[in-house]
Amino acid sequence: EVQLVESGGGLIKPGGSLRLSCTVSGITSNAIWVTWVRQAPGKGLECLGHIKSKTDGGTTGYAAPVKGRFAISRDDSENTVYLEMNSLRTEDTGVYYCTRGWGSGPLYHFDPWGQGTVVTVSS
Amino acid sequence: EIVLTQSPATLSLSPGEGAALSCRASQSVSNYLAWYQQKPGQAPRLLIYDASNRATGIPARFSGSGSGTDFTLTISSLEPEDFAVYYCQQRSNWPVTFGQGTKLEIK
Repeated sequence: EVQLVESGGGLIKPGGSLRLSCTVSGITSNAIWVTWVRQAPGKGLECLGHIKSKTDGGTTGYAAPVKGRFAISRDDSENTVYLEMNSLRTEDTGVYYCTRGWGSGPLYHFDPWGQGTVVTVSS
Repeated sequence: EIVLTQSPATLSLSPGEGAALSCRASQSVSNYLAWYQQKPGQAPRLLIYDASNRATGIPARFSGSGSGTDFTLTISSLEPEDFAVYYCQQRSNWPVTFGQGTKLEIK
């Protein structure tokens, strides 16, 4: 059974940086696409980006609101995927989930999900 | 970017009743449409993928239909644990997008 567990959230000042971790179990992390989705307080879901499986090239893709500020990477030795967040803004506040992205054809749906980690950007 | 519009925003029903939740896309997404359930304080859970396929472990009272731009999630007979927020999501085009959600509440 594939499981994902996020960590690394916390309180950070605007303009600061934070790195979230997503530890994968039940499968080698580079064998799957891993995505990051966030949810602002009381709001809906927003896909931030993904890292492809090694066999699919291992490349990354980002949504416009975070492109150039956020970066997704993977450490195969730790079976962990990271979300490096820079130049944080108050609107980046929310719960951050990592998920497995899968599906035949274009892009992916999200299953399973981690439990989420809370990021608060505030002065 | 493909916009998904869910209706109604809130649906008030009683246990045992049937529910129909709608998701409309701003352009065709073929059948690349998924539905998720989210309960307070929990991560979302995949219910339906590719418009009509139930995810592993999802009860048969949940079903999905539609293609192109109009989709429906149907819950045949509501159980107390079904009251939650439901989101649709398309994977036809980047960026992947979600609807704004429908809150299913107990009447």
